[in-house]
Amino acid sequence: DAGITQSPRHKVTETGTPVTLRCHQTENHRYMYWYRQDPGHGLRLIHYSYGVKDTDKGEVSDGYSVSRSKTEDFLLTLESATSSQTSVYFCAISGGSGATAKQYFGPGTRLTVT
Amino acid sequence: DQQVKQNSPSLSVQEGRISILNCDYTNSMFDYFLWYKKYPAEGPTFLISISSIKDKNEDGRFTVFLNKSAKHLSLHIVPSQPGDSAVYFCAASARISGSARQLTFGSGTQLTVLP
Repeated sequence: DAGITQSPRHKVTETGTPVTLRCHQTENHRYMYWYRQDPGHGLRLIHYSYGVKDTDKGEVSDGYSVSRSKTEDFLLTLESATSSQTSVYFCAISGGSGATAKQYFGPGTRLTVT
Repeated sequence: DQQVKQNSPSLSVQEGRISILNCDYTNSMFDYFLWYKKYPAEGPTFLISISSIKDKNEDGRFTVFLNKSAKHLSLHIVPSQPGDSAVYFCAASARISGSARQLTFGSGTQLTVLP
């Protein structure tokens, strides 16, 4: 299994508060991604990173920001959480030697916004 | 509009029989297709993939078929085992920037293999 950890694994927060989720990898992969999973939608891309300090928006980026100051860490921030951001968030990595289309996923963070 | 669709939310199969999971897509820019398996409270795990230049890829009990003209792919599991019970996601891959790729997922099919 790829070395990907996510923290926290579970979080309950109130509407309007800021929240930061962390993804940490030990594989030295170049590309990192944040997805959210909601019933009926599968997983949808929020933001991705193609290197330290290099990030770009995905399909559902409104209300989210990201930062990557080190190869191994990719942070997802909800500046002011809303109930519509209640979801399960997955981090993924790709792009080791012999890069392919395959992405490896972390265990997920379940976020509830009340 | 969903670019990747899995029209069957659930499928039940007897142990030892074949499981067939289906997926349709609309975007011709997709050049790889992948299947992921997901257990509750875990992240998706890669199962098998196929390049758009192929029509079949096999790995043990798992075979993926791609019909480009119909924009349709399917995952066959033979023989099905109770441990295969999970949610299966179809995903299609396209380049978004440089070598970065976006996976577009279907909504998943819950497979239950009955002993």
